[in-house]
Amino acid sequence: KNEVEQSPQNLTAQEGEFITINCSYSVGISALHWLQQHPGGGIVSLFMLSSGKKKHGRLIATINIQEKHSSLHITASHPRDSAVYICAAPSSGGGADGLTFGKGTHLIIQP
Amino acid sequence: DVKVTQSSRYLVKRTGEKVFLECVQDMDHENMFWYRQDPGLGLRLIYFSYDVKMKEKGDIPEGYSVSREKKERFSLILESASTNQTSMYLCATGRQVYEQYFGPGTRLTVT
Repeated sequence: KNEVEQSPQNLTAQEGEFITINCSYSVGISALHWLQQHPGGGIVSLFMLSSGKKKHGRLIATINIQEKHSSLHITASHPRDSAVYICAAPSSGGGADGLTFGKGTHLIIQP
Repeated sequence: DVKVTQSSRYLVKRTGEKVFLECVQDMDHENMFWYRQDPGLGLRLIYFSYDVKMKEKGDIPEGYSVSREKKERFSLILESASTNQTSMYLCATGRQVYEQYFGPGTRLTVT
């Protein structure tokens, strides 16, 4: 079963800072998921990526399949980016039995 | 746009009650999942289903059962609710097992 580790657990930064959240996993996978959850809110899928890099607005996700590592970056961070960010990988690599989730990174962006 | 709805946002039940949580999706996805989310533990898979009348145990199935009689509907059942089942319950759906769209969640309190 895949083990998914995220760091840091908590991150507080000032508005405008460049943010990096890291995710590592133990079993080779077909795709990795980055999710966002605002306080009291539902979970929204940000990215699903299997190689290279994806960009959506100020959010960038990268993955290195060989190193079993992914990063989520936020450029020009804003208080509305404050949320929990969660990475998830298929539990058995092939994805036949759902996802295993990291414990999340609680991000606070102060104005 | 994928729409995943859950029957209640907030639910309060007494110990020993039978509890039904329902999830409905409108995208004809084969795969549906039930997770619970707890502080410090993250999201954990309870059960999933990859077809009508099919179900698979996730990581923490004890104390729960599921039902999938129609493709669009996946129910989570707590046969006899206990206080340690107080949690946020999230349903997800996807065409691929590693592609998941989440419902808004049900915050269940068992007293």
